[in-house]
Amino acid sequence: DIQMTQSPSTLSASVGDRVTITCRASQSISSWLAWYQQKPGKAPKLLIYKASNLESGVPSRFSGSGSGTEFTLTISSLQPDDFATYYCQQYNNYFFTFGPGTKVDIK
Amino acid sequence: EVQLVESGGGLVQPGGSLRLSCAASGFTFSSYWMSWVRQAPGKGLEWVANIKQDGSDKYYVDSVKGRFTISRDNAKNSLYLQMNSLRAEDTAVYYCAREDSLTANWGADNWGQGTLVTVSS
Repeated sequence: DIQMTQSPSTLSASVGDRVTITCRASQSISSWLAWYQQKPGKAPKLLIYKASNLESGVPSRFSGSGSGTEFTLTISSLQPDDFATYYCQQYNNYFFTFGPGTKVDIK
Repeated sequence: EVQLVESGGGLVQPGGSLRLSCAASGFTFSSYWMSWVRQAPGKGLEWVANIKQDGSDKYYVDSVKGRFTISRDNAKNSLYLQMNSLRAEDTAVYYCAREDSLTANWGADNWGQGTLVTVSS
């Protein structure tokens, strides 16, 4: 099974900061990676698919990069609405494993 | 507008059974892979199971294999999760999600609001 890790687990940042979250896969998953944002009590929201493609309607301050085993989600200028938990998920095989999540909170 | 509405959650004793349903509307249900994803209280997301468009392929996380069964009825635009031999660790909010398999981009692009399953005596 493919295992996913994320770092950091928690990130404290201020509005306007550039934020980077890393996701690593235990084996190569090519570009089969998605990123989600989740706020308390809400369903997750798809941000990025196939590692670097922005989902329709998602602000351009979000970007994704990487391939193989290492991936990053970057928020270029953190906005108040971005304080949330972020998850990566692999789609390399049909066992769609999630990473453990990264909580972005207010510094 | 795409809508996914889960139902069937509730309180069940350990060892008991529950069947979750997800009613889909606003898209051609039979064209998409579908998934169940759960989230235990205060914990992260866990993918549980998925099913191919015609129901011919199904995959499960190891922790539910042999206990949970995913199924779908394309005529009724509905997704199901039959959960047997429930354990305390199955307590979670269960979400159904549409996988963007139509474009082969993948990623769960639409989610239901979730239904809470509590396993406790």
